Amino acid sequence: DVKVTQSSRYLVKRTGEKVFLECVQDMDHENMFWYRQDPGLGLRLIYFSYDVKMKEKGDIPEGYSVSREKKERFSLILESASTNQTSMYLCASSWTSGRVLWEQYFGPGTRLTVT
Amino acid sequence: TQLLEQSPQFLSIQEGENLTVYCNSSSVFSSLQWYRQEPGEGPVLLVTVVTGGEVKKLKRLTFQFGDARKDSSLHITAAQPGDTGLYLCAGAPLIYNFNKFYFGSGTKLNVKP
Repeated sequence: DVKVTQSSRYLVKRTGEKVFLECVQDMDHENMFWYRQDPGLGLRLIYFSYDVKMKEKGDIPEGYSVSREKKERFSLILESASTNQTSMYLCASSWTSGRVLWEQYFGPGTRLTVT
Repeated sequence: TQLLEQSPQFLSIQEGENLTVYCNSSSVFSSLQWYRQEPGEGPVLLVTVVTGGEVKKLKRLTFQFGDARKDSSLHITAAQPGDTGLYLCAGAPLIYNFNKFYFGSGTKLNVKP
């Protein structure tokens, strides 16, 4: 069975703290993604990675960085958390065949609150 | 860029009614996915459609991919309260960055008993 896990379901951090969100997939997928989801704004792509050590900015990368040292693991880093980064964070993975990007599988999400 | 227009945004119906959700684009997609998401959880994949004109069934859910691979629909027959949730369409268009997915804005479905 397909599995994407995220390190925490709920996190509460203080403004200015450095925050690490980790995501692990067991499907040997090349591609991994980080999204945030906010009411009324839908799913917005923060960063994605199509190979180990490769990363590309998504639509809202400001205030975030990522790391992909191993194929199965993709980390999202909030360098200095701010209250406007309070959100639901979703990790996903998918595979590519030729030029076709196949379906994404999502983790359960991390609800981050920054106070 | 909102490549996928999803409608309706909200749907509140009685148990036993039928409904259809639409996902439209002016771009051609290599594949299109439908997800259901419950509050506080990640989206769960329901189906992937790949071939133009393809129809897939999942119990009371019927998914269709348009002939030109630019649109898709989700039809639910005899909706039940357990169908309540947020339905999302998503896909990777052929002419854009082919490592990136685009999402519809979602359809929030409420099925009242």
